Amino acid sequence: QVQLQQWGAGLLKPSETLSLTCTVYGGSFSDYYWTWIRQSPGKGLEWIGEINHSGSTEYNPSLKSRVTISVDTSKNEFSLKLRSVTAADTAVYYCARGRQSGLGYWGQGTLVTVSS
Amino acid sequence: DIQMTQSPSSLSASVGDRVTITCRASHIVRTYLNWYQQKPGKAPKLLIYAASSLPSGVPSRFSGSGSGPDFTLTISSLQPEDFATYYCQQTYEIPRTFGQGTRVEIK
Repeated sequence: QVQLQQWGAGLLKPSETLSLTCTVYGGSFSDYYWTWIRQSPGKGLEWIGEINHSGSTEYNPSLKSRVTISVDTSKNEFSLKLRSVTAADTAVYYCARGRQSGLGYWGQGTLVTVSS
Repeated sequence: DIQMTQSPSSLSASVGDRVTITCRASHIVRTYLNWYQQKPGKAPKLLIYAASSLPSGVPSRFSGSGSGPDFTLTISSLQPEDFATYYCQQTYEIPRTFGQGTRVEIK
């Protein structure tokens, strides 16, 4: 059974760096792409970016200058860093497995609040 | 970016009703179109991938159709557990954009 468990700081001040990690349990880590999505309170879903086991990445151009997604295959983990956060980055962040054929497994979500 | 426009934004329906939600892509997406269901406080759940394929475990009352620019999600007989928000997503181009969502409420 595949499970994604995500963790990281939930309260940040403006200009700080958001850092989240997603650990994957079950399944073959190397066979899939791994994705980060966010959802602002009361709003829709925004695709942040994706990575595969070899570290090949794609990012949303609107966030590309501030985002880094990385992978650690020895721990079956992938991570998100978003630099210079503002209140507009307040959202629930999700990790998920998949790419073009849909996101079939998701983490539980982490509410990240940016406030001074 | 490819804009995904869903209609309606919300609808009210009764248990047993047939429900149809439409998603229109602003540019070609071929059949790189997925549908998700989201309930309050929960992560989205994949309902349909590649426009019309059903993942294992998704009830057969859900179906998808279309090949662009218009796609349709149909629930053949609405069940109490289907009251949720539904999103389409194109995965043809970067960024992989979502529709704004369609909220299905109880009439």
